[in-house]
Amino acid sequence: GAGVSQTPSNKVTEKGKYVELRCDPISGHTALYWYRQSLGQGPEFLIYFQGTGAADDSGLPNDRFFAVRPEGSVSTLKIQRTERGDSAVYLCASSLTAGPNTGELFFGEGSRLTVL
Amino acid sequence: AQKVTQAQTEISVVEKEDVTLDCVYETRDTTYYLFWYKQPPSGELVFLIRRNSFDEQNEISGRYSWNFQKSTSSFNFTITASQVVDSAVYFCALSDDLSGYALNFGKGTSLLVTP
Repeated sequence: GAGVSQTPSNKVTEKGKYVELRCDPISGHTALYWYRQSLGQGPEFLIYFQGTGAADDSGLPNDRFFAVRPEGSVSTLKIQRTERGDSAVYLCASSLTAGPNTGELFFGEGSRLTVL
Repeated sequence: AQKVTQAQTEISVVEKEDVTLDCVYETRDTTYYLFWYKQPPSGELVFLIRRNSFDEQNEISGRYSWNFQKSTSSFNFTITASQVVDSAVYFCALSDDLSGYALNFGKGTSLLVTP
């Protein structure tokens, strides 16, 4: 499809395990964003890529969280030593340009992570 | 620091009623952007509107309208003649000029429209 694609849609893991979540943005979109949405809350910004580099990673909660975008397209969010508090829906979004002064932000359907 | 408050957690209306979703924001920036997103049960956030801080004109799009008032730091959203398909969680969000789409979201208002 033409939208933002995220895999897996659901992931159940045990506390302490390593998890990778993948995002395939809309073709040609230079900016890519990761958000986290806990139950009953609004999305919370994690990290933003402009091309291959992380332009702003101020939202990552701690050093267990890491994200890459090696070729400026697909991005992977990596979570080490998962904790129960990491359980949330992880949303990916992309936009044609970096800022809200032009263009629209398109979201994927999210990856629901459950840490037992 | 930026903050968005959506005081209404849940709203329930009967079809064809008008409903207004409130959004109050806080920011020290002179240039900023306000957004509304819709999140249906499928989970995907759907963009509804973007408004920059220099444009206080109200906007109407079909049954949707938005009232931006800088004097009260509010950006309220009204749905006229609501329909069952409008049932969703609606989020108001704020961004400054430098943060791109690192949006600050409110907690959302869950709207239920019953037949």
